[in-house]
Amino acid sequence: QKEVEQNSGPLSVPEGAIASLNCTYSDRGSQSFFWYRQYSGKSPELIMSIYSNGDKEDGRFTAQLNKASQYVSLLIRDSQPSDSATYLCAVNMGYGGSQGNLIFGKGTKLSVKP
Amino acid sequence: DGGITQSPKYLFRKEGQNVTLSCEQNLNHDAMYWYRQDPGQGLRLIYYSQIVNDFQKGDIAEGYSVSREKKESFPLTVTSAQKNPTAFYLCASSIVTGEAETEAFFGQGTRLTVV
Repeated sequence: QKEVEQNSGPLSVPEGAIASLNCTYSDRGSQSFFWYRQYSGKSPELIMSIYSNGDKEDGRFTAQLNKASQYVSLLIRDSQPSDSATYLCAVNMGYGGSQGNLIFGKGTKLSVKP
Repeated sequence: DGGITQSPKYLFRKEGQNVTLSCEQNLNHDAMYWYRQDPGQGLRLIYYSQIVNDFQKGDIAEGYSVSREKKESFPLTVTSAQKNPTAFYLCASSIVTGEAETEAFFGQGTRLTVV
């Protein structure tokens, strides 16, 4: 069974702090990893993608990937109340060699307190 | 503007009725997907299609049907066999390449309620 696991939260951080969101996945052969943000009642929007071990930074967001540990994380620096949302981790595990099939975690709800 | 359009935004279904959710994209993406999301849950894959006239079942295909007659369109029919259809339905599309870099982009969703 191919799975993506996330702590459901809620994760509460004060404004200006660093929020750390974690995700583990079951398929060691996975190649592509994505973080989506979903506001309540809205559709997910892509905020970060990462394919290689290490860190990838984009503004206040940093994605970290460790394939040996099957672990991917998202750090949000200088957290703002507008960052309050559910963050979905998605992993491309493929289906029989085909690409483009994303498996999603259940999401971590983040609350940033002013 | 390029994007994925789902319609309607809200849909009400009577018991025993079939309903069809529309999904259209003008991104020239090869792959299209339908996901279902229940409150407090992640996204579960219903069906996906990588090319025209071909599609595969996802994890929860029972009670649903799809077609892919055009690259741009991937409608989802919720049949009367789906016993608990009330949920938020999301359509997505992505590029299929030889690499593993295929992030999905989502439509705005259709909220289906059984009345």
